[in-house]
Amino acid sequence: DVKVTQSSRYLVKRTGEKVFLECVQDMDHENMFWYRQDPGLGLRLIYFSYDVKMKEKGDIPEGYSVSREKKERFSLILESASTNQTSMYLCASSSNPPTGNYGYTFGSGTRLTVV
Amino acid sequence: KNQVEQSPQSLIILEGKNCTLQCNYTVSPFSNLRWYKQDTGRGPVSLTIMTFSENTKSNGRYTATLDADTKQSSLHITASQLSDSASYICVVSAYTNAGKSTFGDGTTLTVKP
Repeated sequence: DVKVTQSSRYLVKRTGEKVFLECVQDMDHENMFWYRQDPGLGLRLIYFSYDVKMKEKGDIPEGYSVSREKKERFSLILESASTNQTSMYLCASSSNPPTGNYGYTFGSGTRLTVV
Repeated sequence: KNQVEQSPQSLIILEGKNCTLQCNYTVSPFSNLRWYKQDTGRGPVSLTIMTFSENTKSNGRYTATLDADTKQSSLHITASQLSDSASYICVVSAYTNAGKSTFGDGTTLTVKP
């Protein structure tokens, strides 16, 4: 079974902490994405990567950075966590472009609470 | 600007009834359209994927239709079950190098006994 694995289901962090969210996929997909999902706002793209060491800003990159040192791993970094970054974070991967029956495969999500 | 609009925003039906969710899009050039089901607190899971040449695709009690001329899709759920309670998200992809897609805001379906 193909998988996207996010390292944590739930996280609680303090304001000002540096936070790392990890995502690993085993499908050899070129593209990886980080979204946040908030009630009433749908999924919003933070950053995406279409190759190792490549990254592009999504719609809401402020306050976030990413790292993709290996094809299978895409990390989201909150440099200094703030309460308005409390959200559900979803990682996804896809082939380039999405084709066939795969499209996006999502991880189970990380619910981050910043206190 | 690429957009995906879903309706209704939320829907409540009784167990055993059928329902239809709508998705209208303005994404170009069109590559494919996918419907996802997202249970509360979980990541979205793919239900169907449709390309330009496909009109209908089924996955058990879920049937998706696509009208590429009018740029509309629907997801029909037959004989609903309590486990169908979830958010249903329409996602449309254009042919781009990076494979970015446009997401709808979702329809929240509640099935009551």
